[in-house]
Amino acid sequence: DAGITQSPRHKVTETGTPVTLRCHQTENHRYMYWYRQDPGHGLRLIHYSYGVKDTDKGEVSDGYSVSRSKTEDFLLTLESATSSQTSVYFCAISDTGYEQYFGPGTRLTVT
Amino acid sequence: AQSVAQPEDQVNVAEGNPLTVKCTYSVSGNPYLFWYVQYPNRGLQFLLKYITGDNLVKGSYGFEAEFNKSQTSFHLKKPSALVSDSALYFCAVRPKAAGNKLTFGGGTRVLVKP
Repeated sequence: DAGITQSPRHKVTETGTPVTLRCHQTENHRYMYWYRQDPGHGLRLIHYSYGVKDTDKGEVSDGYSVSRSKTEDFLLTLESATSSQTSVYFCAISDTGYEQYFGPGTRLTVT
Repeated sequence: AQSVAQPEDQVNVAEGNPLTVKCTYSVSGNPYLFWYVQYPNRGLQFLLKYITGDNLVKGSYGFEAEFNKSQTSFHLKKPSALVSDSALYFCAVRPKAAGNKLTFGGGTRVLVKP
């Protein structure tokens, strides 16, 4: 988990509210990723970034948006949270685009 | 589209015995392959990768994996398992020609008994 922090670490929110999760890195890595982890599905990519203001969609991007205005910060926003978005969210970083290094995760519950 | 299969949800092994966690993949072209480990309430930790070259790759904590192109497999192995190896293991694949997106398998839980 070195060099990567996620905030908040736990959050409970109500259906229909917007939620923003933050990933912060101190490694100056180019690539940043957001995943969600659900039982039986492993990790699934939501969005990723290959540079400041450069982002692309992953396989489960519906209902999520991202922004990266600085190298060190990558924000994930749930525009209107739904119960299906209850999950554990992981941020990852990479300098080469090969191996990725993961943050500690954010447990989100949507009631 | 690429996919990764980890056919065993759980692997049980006695401490000191060899450990194998299976992974097969489907991808267009040549792949980059990875193994990660997740301990309870933690993020994933990188174990090893295959990019090119020798089919036998050595990684952290005494783990190794063998890339088998004909069988499209990348099984993770450890000659002598430790109780502390008990964790969730993920295989991942990335096509060489398709950007930086990893596709993960569903994970295999390893339980090493004393």
